[in-house]
Amino acid sequence: DGGITQSPKYLFRKEGQNVTLSCEQNLNHDAMYWYRQDPGQGLRLIYYSQIVNDFQKGDIAEGYSVSREKKESFPLTVTSAQKNPTAFYLCASRPPGDRVIEAFFGQGTRLTVV
Amino acid sequence: GESVGLHLPTLSVQEGDNSIINCAYSNSASDYFIWYKQESGKGPQFIIDIRSNMDKRQGQRVTVLLNKTVKHLSLQIAATQPGDSAVYFCAGPNSGAGSYQLTFGKGTKLSVIP
Repeated sequence: DGGITQSPKYLFRKEGQNVTLSCEQNLNHDAMYWYRQDPGQGLRLIYYSQIVNDFQKGDIAEGYSVSREKKESFPLTVTSAQKNPTAFYLCASRPPGDRVIEAFFGQGTRLTVV
Repeated sequence: GESVGLHLPTLSVQEGDNSIINCAYSNSASDYFIWYKQESGKGPQFIIDIRSNMDKRQGQRVTVLLNKTVKHLSLQIAATQPGDSAVYFCAGPNSGAGSYQLTFGKGTKLSVIP
């Protein structure tokens, strides 16, 4: 089955630690995205990548880093510089072509600072 | 860029009644909008989209209406069922990002009363 897989589903981080969230897709999509969702809020864009080895900052990139070494993978690292990392993180991908608009989402990773 | 927002953060409806979820947008040049459904602890799922050259689009039990004059769209769910309980987001293109980014509203939580 094609889709987007995020892992782990739940993640706990100690103060001062870096953690990496995994996002893999087998949909052959060029564009991939990371969003952050806080309770009662919409989705805010952290980083996005339109092509391998290229990525751009979104609206709230501070304290986060990404890489795009393979088309299928777009991991997100939450660094110790992110002061309030507890949130629900969503990865998405989008098919090629500027007239195709739908983004497909993974099931999310809930990150909690302990 | 685009700004989208839902009118009400919560909506409660009786099972079997119709639900109407509203959304306003700011960019009159937006050429499409998407409605997503997000169940608790899961990623958003595509429901329906509408292009700006349309006023209405129907799917299975759902209808989206677009009023470009007042920059407003709505999602209507017919014969609401308990499985419709979720958070619903409208999303529109962030024209300023240059890569077909989506800007999401904060969401309306729909609760269905049995």
